[in-house]
Amino acid sequence: NAGVTQTPKFQVLKTGQSMTLQCAQDMNHEYMSWYRQDPGMGLRLIHYSVGAGITDQGEVPNGYNVSRSTTEDFPLRLLSAAPSQTSVYFCASSYEQANYGYTFGSGTRLTVV
Amino acid sequence: AQSVTQPDIHITVSEGASLELRCNYSYGATPYLFWYVQSPGQGLQLLLKYFSGDTLVQGIKGFEAEFKRSQSSFNLRKPSVHWSDAAEYFCAVGASNDYKLSFGAGTTVTVRA
Repeated sequence: NAGVTQTPKFQVLKTGQSMTLQCAQDMNHEYMSWYRQDPGMGLRLIHYSVGAGITDQGEVPNGYNVSRSTTEDFPLRLLSAAPSQTSVYFCASSYEQANYGYTFGSGTRLTVV
Repeated sequence: AQSVTQPDIHITVSEGASLELRCNYSYGATPYLFWYVQSPGQGLQLLLKYFSGDTLVQGIKGFEAEFKRSQSSFNLRKPSVHWSDAAEYFCAVGASNDYKLSFGAGTTVTVRA
């Protein structure tokens, strides 16, 4: 049971480049989400999905796109990378509601130069 | 909307001493409350959670937390810390009718020999 798998672990982008951060879970969780972690700011929700075909914006969605074509996968796309998107990105998944808590991936450290 | 405040950015404690991390939440109804721990370079691991019942909750690694509705608090405690407890700790709050969790900014714990 792999849990939540994120790839890549590290990435350096040039300003204006696009890329996709991958997230996959094998626990049949309906809920998946993307957070970014910045020093002194905790985790901020970017986008989330409550099931295949359903996505919604979180607290800081600008500059990011998501889709959920399957229960297992929830990729995060950076359309045109900016230095402000330098951060550590975490994918998390959960059973039906928040009371179960989240299972987190190990994170992707992204640097935009 | 729910929110979380962790008043202490950084705490230093001696090995073998007790530890208490503070968490205050804002939410109108009975919240779901969580503590997560993040070791350097790792994802977040669930330590414990509360959503009903006994207000003193036991978690992994010898941690416990107490829910105090009158103080809107969910403080984390450990009677005797080990050097391996050095990490960043996050408090989070969720709602019974929602998937999303709101995280505090985190408290970094340093353990000195």
